[in-house]
Amino acid sequence: DAKTTQPTSMDCAEGRAANLPCNHSTISGNEYVYWYRQIHSQGPQYIIHGLKNNETNEMASLIITEDRKSSTLILPHATLRDTAVYYCIVRVAPAGKLIFGQGTTLQVKP
Amino acid sequence: ETGVTQSPTHLIKTRGQQVTLRCSSQSGHNTVSWYQQALGQGPQFIFQYYREEENGRGNFPPRFSGLQFPNYSSELNVNALELDDSALYLCASSSGRGYEQFFGPGTRLTVL
Repeated sequence: DAKTTQPTSMDCAEGRAANLPCNHSTISGNEYVYWYRQIHSQGPQYIIHGLKNNETNEMASLIITEDRKSSTLILPHATLRDTAVYYCIVRVAPAGKLIFGQGTTLQVKP
Repeated sequence: ETGVTQSPTHLIKTRGQQVTLRCSSQSGHNTVSWYQQALGQGPQFIFQYYREEENGRGNFPPRFSGLQFPNYSSELNVNALELDDSALYLCASSSGRGYEQFFGPGTRLTVL
């Protein structure tokens, strides 16, 4: 199973872009990169996923490097409600199980 | 559209007892996955059910077992509870084995 590495914690000023990096150097060609976040004591929330192209939705953008060994989740205008643990996950096929690491604790400050 | 629901919200058991946790999947979803999240850790995959059959299992002992029903709701059963089983148990549903999973709020189990 491909593993991911993320910084333990990051701070971001409210209203600024939050850029969360993730390394997944052993990713296989058919594995997707998923991002979830977990606000304290709630279930994880799906944010976005991608294979090799950059993706954008109403919550965030996902930038994947051309060699697919790393990616960056971008929250364009962080708010206090974005304070959470963010997990970068490589999905294992075919069972589709999610392997969570420790994640990055993002603290958005006023 | 109803999201993923879990019951009960909180549960306290003593060591050696058995527990059953329940999950109702989101409408239209036929796949349910269960995860265990210890305090301060990321969720750990227990197993997944797809159309009523187990479809993948994590590194958990056989005393962790599950069921999926024809309406795609699911149960997680844990026998012979141990203190280390104290955790948040999360259920996630998806519309297929490879699609994004939507999580419920979890059941907080405390084993004394």
